[in-house]
Amino acid sequence: KAGVTQTPRYLIKTRGQQVTLSCSPISGHRSVSWYQQTPGQGLQFLFEYFSETQRNKGNFPGRFSGRQFSNSRSEMNVSTLELGDSALYLCASSFDGTGSLLSGNTIYFGEGSWLTVV
Amino acid sequence: AQKITQTQPGMFVQEKEAVTLDCTYDTSDPSYGLFWYKQPSSGEMIFLIYQGSYDQQNATEGRYSLNFQKARKSANLVISASQLGDSAMYFCAMRFHSGGYQKVTFGIGTKLQVIP
Repeated sequence: KAGVTQTPRYLIKTRGQQVTLSCSPISGHRSVSWYQQTPGQGLQFLFEYFSETQRNKGNFPGRFSGRQFSNSRSEMNVSTLELGDSALYLCASSFDGTGSLLSGNTIYFGEGSWLTVV
Repeated sequence: AQKITQTQPGMFVQEKEAVTLDCTYDTSDPSYGLFWYKQPSSGEMIFLIYQGSYDQQNATEGRYSLNFQKARKSANLVISASQLGDSAMYFCAMRFHSGGYQKVTFGIGTKLQVIP
Protein backbone atom coordinates (compact mmCIF):
# COMPACT_ATOMS: atom_id res chain seq x y z
CA LYS A 1 0.00 0.00 0.00
CA ALA A 2 1.09 3.56 -0.66
CA GLY A 3 3.08 5.33 2.02
CA VAL A 4 2.79 8.85 3.35
CA THR A 5 3.08 11.36 0.52
CA GLN A 6 4.30 14.88 1.04
CA THR A 7 4.37 17.67 -1.53
CA PRO A 8 6.30 19.60 -2.55
CA ARG A 9 9.62 17.95 -1.78
CA TYR A 10 11.70 21.06 -2.15
CA LEU A 11 10.81 24.73 -2.20
CA ILE A 12 12.45 28.10 -1.83
CA LYS A 13 10.52 31.06 -0.51
CA THR A 14 11.32 34.67 0.30
CA ARG A 15 11.02 36.21 3.75
CA GLY A 16 7.52 37.49 4.33
CA GLN A 17 5.86 35.07 1.94
CA GLN A 18 3.59 32.27 3.00
CA VAL A 19 3.80 28.56 2.17
CA THR A 20 1.43 25.61 2.17
CA LEU A 21 2.65 22.04 2.49
CA SER A 22 0.52 19.00 1.81
CA CYS A 23 0.44 15.52 3.30
CA SER A 24 -1.56 12.48 2.24
CA PRO A 25 -1.50 9.81 4.95
CA ILE A 26 -1.55 6.08 4.47
CA SER A 27 -4.99 4.91 3.42
CA GLY A 28 -7.10 4.25 6.50
CA HIS A 29 -4.95 6.35 8.81
CA ARG A 30 -6.84 9.12 10.55
CA SER A 31 -4.11 10.75 12.63
CA VAL A 32 -1.71 13.14 10.93
CA SER A 33 1.09 14.94 12.76
CA TRP A 34 3.55 17.56 11.57
CA TYR A 35 7.12 18.05 12.74
CA GLN A 36 9.79 20.62 12.05
CA GLN A 37 13.35 19.36 11.91
CA THR A 38 16.36 21.64 12.04
CA PRO A 39 20.01 20.76 12.74
CA GLY A 40 20.05 22.73 15.96
CA GLN A 41 16.64 21.84 17.39
CA GLY A 42 16.08 18.28 16.26
CA LEU A 43 12.51 17.12 15.74
CA GLN A 44 9.97 19.60 17.04
CA PHE A 45 6.27 18.70 17.20
CA LEU A 46 4.01 21.19 15.46
CA PHE A 47 0.50 19.77 15.71
CA GLU A 48 -1.63 16.69 15.27
CA TYR A 49 -4.94 16.33 13.50
CA PHE A 50 -7.45 13.57 13.93
CA SER A 51 -10.79 13.42 12.12
CA GLU A 52 -10.42 17.03 10.94
CA THR A 53 -9.80 18.34 14.46
CA GLN A 54 -6.56 19.64 15.87
CA ARG A 55 -5.94 17.48 18.90
CA ASN A 56 -2.42 18.40 19.95
CA LYS A 57 -0.33 21.47 19.44
CA GLY A 58 3.34 22.18 20.01
CA ASN A 59 4.99 25.43 21.03
CA PHE A 60 5.06 27.27 17.75
CA PRO A 61 3.79 30.77 16.98
CA GLY A 62 0.42 31.35 15.39
CA ARG A 63 2.08 31.79 11.99
CA PHE A 64 2.08 28.01 11.84
CA SER A 65 -1.33 26.54 11.18
CA GLY A 66 -2.81 23.43 9.72
CA ARG A 67 -5.96 21.66 8.79
CA GLN A 68 -7.21 18.22 7.90
CA PHE A 69 -9.79 17.33 5.32
CA SER A 70 -12.48 14.68 5.44
CA ASN A 71 -10.28 12.28 3.46
CA SER A 72 -7.58 12.69 6.17
CA ARG A 73 -5.27 14.64 3.89
CA SER A 74 -3.65 17.48 5.76
CA GLU A 75 -2.06 20.80 4.95
CA MET A 76 0.13 23.04 7.01
CA ASN A 77 0.61 26.71 6.36
CA VAL A 78 3.32 29.08 7.47
CA SER A 79 2.61 32.76 7.01
CA THR A 80 5.06 35.65 7.06
CA LEU A 81 8.06 33.39 6.60
CA GLU A 82 11.23 34.06 8.53
CA LEU A 83 14.75 32.84 7.81
CA GLY A 84 14.53 30.59 10.86
CA ASP A 85 11.63 28.70 9.30
CA SER A 86 14.09 27.02 6.94
CA ALA A 87 13.79 23.36 7.86
CA LEU A 88 12.66 19.91 6.88
CA TYR A 89 8.95 19.54 7.56
CA LEU A 90 7.87 15.98 8.20
CA CYS A 91 4.39 14.58 8.17
CA ALA A 92 3.55 11.41 10.08
CA SER A 93 0.45 9.27 9.95
CA SER A 94 -0.95 6.55 12.16
CA PHE A 95 -4.19 4.69 12.31
CA ASP A 96 -5.38 6.07 15.58
CA GLY A 97 -3.59 8.29 18.02
CA THR A 98 -5.83 7.60 20.94
CA GLY A 99 -6.07 4.06 21.98
CA SER A 100 -3.83 1.15 21.55
CA LEU A 101 -0.08 1.23 21.78
CA LEU A 102 0.07 -2.05 19.93
CA SER A 103 2.39 -2.40 16.98
CA GLY A 104 -0.50 -1.97 14.59
CA ASN A 105 -0.62 1.66 15.53
CA THR A 106 2.85 2.39 14.21
CA ILE A 107 3.70 5.91 13.10
CA TYR A 108 4.91 6.28 9.52
CA PHE A 109 6.59 9.32 8.07
CA GLY A 110 6.68 10.86 4.64
CA GLU A 111 9.82 11.91 2.81
CA GLY A 112 9.48 15.46 4.06
CA SER A 113 9.36 18.89 2.49
CA TRP A 114 12.60 20.85 2.46
CA LEU A 115 11.80 24.53 2.88
CA THR A 116 14.46 27.17 2.37
CA VAL A 117 13.63 30.78 3.21
CA VAL A 118 15.88 33.40 1.64
CA ALA B 1 8.12 14.26 32.22
CA GLN B 2 8.51 11.79 29.40
CA LYS B 3 11.92 12.01 27.82
CA ILE B 4 14.18 10.10 25.44
CA THR B 5 17.95 10.29 25.80
CA GLN B 6 20.42 9.29 23.12
CA THR B 7 23.93 9.90 24.40
CA GLN B 8 25.92 8.94 21.31
CA PRO B 9 26.07 11.84 18.85
CA GLY B 10 28.07 9.76 16.39
CA MET B 11 29.14 6.15 15.97
CA PHE B 12 31.43 4.35 13.57
CA VAL B 13 31.18 0.66 12.72
CA GLN B 14 33.07 -1.57 10.35
CA GLU B 15 31.06 -3.10 7.55
CA LYS B 16 29.65 -6.53 8.50
CA GLU B 17 30.13 -5.86 12.20
CA ALA B 18 27.28 -5.44 14.70
CA VAL B 19 26.59 -2.11 16.38
CA THR B 20 24.44 -1.02 19.34
CA LEU B 21 22.82 2.38 19.48
CA ASP B 22 21.83 3.47 22.96
CA CYS B 23 18.47 4.83 24.04
CA THR B 24 17.17 5.44 27.53
CA TYR B 25 13.75 6.76 28.37
CA ASP B 26 11.97 8.28 31.28
CA THR B 27 8.32 7.78 32.06
CA SER B 28 6.20 6.88 35.04
CA ASP B 29 3.40 5.55 32.88
CA PRO B 30 3.33 1.72 32.70
CA SER B 31 1.95 1.80 29.16
CA TYR B 32 4.13 3.16 26.37
CA GLY B 33 5.66 2.24 23.04
CA LEU B 34 9.21 2.63 21.83
CA PHE B 35 10.21 3.19 18.22
CA TRP B 36 13.39 3.39 16.24
CA TYR B 37 13.63 5.30 12.99
CA LYS B 38 16.37 5.63 10.40
CA GLN B 39 16.84 8.89 8.57
CA PRO B 40 19.19 8.88 5.58
CA SER B 41 20.43 12.14 4.12
CA SER B 42 17.39 12.27 1.84
CA GLY B 43 15.31 13.18 4.88
CA GLU B 44 12.71 10.42 5.03
CA MET B 45 12.16 8.89 8.46
CA ILE B 46 12.02 5.15 7.96
CA PHE B 47 10.32 3.04 10.61
CA LEU B 48 12.57 0.21 11.79
CA ILE B 49 11.19 -1.47 14.86
CA TYR B 50 8.65 -1.13 17.65
CA GLN B 51 8.51 -2.41 21.23
CA GLY B 52 5.46 -2.12 23.45
CA SER B 53 6.00 -1.80 27.18
CA TYR B 54 4.04 -4.97 27.86
CA ASP B 55 5.78 -7.03 25.21
CA GLN B 56 7.58 -9.94 26.83
CA GLN B 57 9.94 -10.63 23.96
CA ASN B 58 12.48 -8.27 22.46
CA ALA B 59 11.34 -7.03 19.07
CA THR B 60 13.24 -8.13 15.98
CA GLU B 61 12.94 -7.11 12.34
CA GLY B 62 15.48 -8.68 10.05
CA ARG B 63 18.92 -7.32 10.97
CA TYR B 64 17.40 -5.01 13.59
CA SER B 65 16.66 -6.02 17.14
CA LEU B 66 15.64 -4.00 20.13
CA ASN B 67 17.34 -4.81 23.42
CA PHE B 68 14.54 -3.86 25.80
CA GLN B 69 15.52 -3.67 29.47
CA LYS B 70 12.47 -2.35 31.22
CA ALA B 71 13.92 -2.07 34.71
CA ARG B 72 16.82 -0.01 33.38
CA LYS B 73 14.49 1.94 31.06
CA SER B 74 16.66 1.28 28.07
CA ALA B 75 15.72 0.34 24.52
CA ASN B 76 18.93 -0.07 22.58
CA LEU B 77 18.89 -0.80 18.86
CA VAL B 78 21.19 -3.55 17.66
CA ILE B 79 22.06 -3.70 13.97
CA SER B 80 23.74 -6.91 12.96
CA ALA B 81 26.02 -7.33 9.94
CA SER B 82 26.22 -3.60 9.17
CA GLN B 83 25.99 -2.51 5.57
CA LEU B 84 27.14 0.70 3.90
CA GLY B 85 23.50 1.63 3.38
CA ASP B 86 23.01 1.67 7.14
CA SER B 87 24.90 4.98 7.34
CA ALA B 88 22.26 7.43 8.53
CA MET B 89 20.82 9.21 11.55
CA TYR B 90 18.92 6.99 13.95
CA PHE B 91 16.20 8.27 16.22
CA CYS B 92 14.65 6.65 19.25
CA ALA B 93 11.11 7.74 20.10
CA MET B 94 8.51 7.02 22.73
CA ARG B 95 4.75 7.15 22.40
CA PHE B 96 2.80 7.66 25.61
CA HIS B 97 -0.63 8.56 26.85
CA SER B 98 -1.24 12.17 27.76
CA GLY B 99 -4.48 14.01 28.39
CA GLY B 100 -6.67 11.30 26.92
CA TYR B 101 -4.65 10.70 23.79
CA GLN B 102 -1.10 9.97 22.78
CA LYS B 103 1.98 12.04 22.26
CA VAL B 104 5.38 11.18 20.89
CA THR B 105 8.77 12.40 21.99
CA PHE B 106 12.01 11.90 20.08
CA GLY B 107 15.64 11.71 21.06
CA ILE B 108 18.22 13.93 19.38
CA GLY B 109 19.52 11.08 17.28
CA THR B 110 22.76 9.20 16.67
CA LYS B 111 24.69 9.50 13.44
CA LEU B 112 25.96 6.10 12.35
CA GLN B 113 28.70 5.80 9.78
CA VAL B 114 29.57 2.41 8.35
CA ILE B 115 33.18 2.09 7.21
CA PRO B 116 34.06 -0.21 4.29
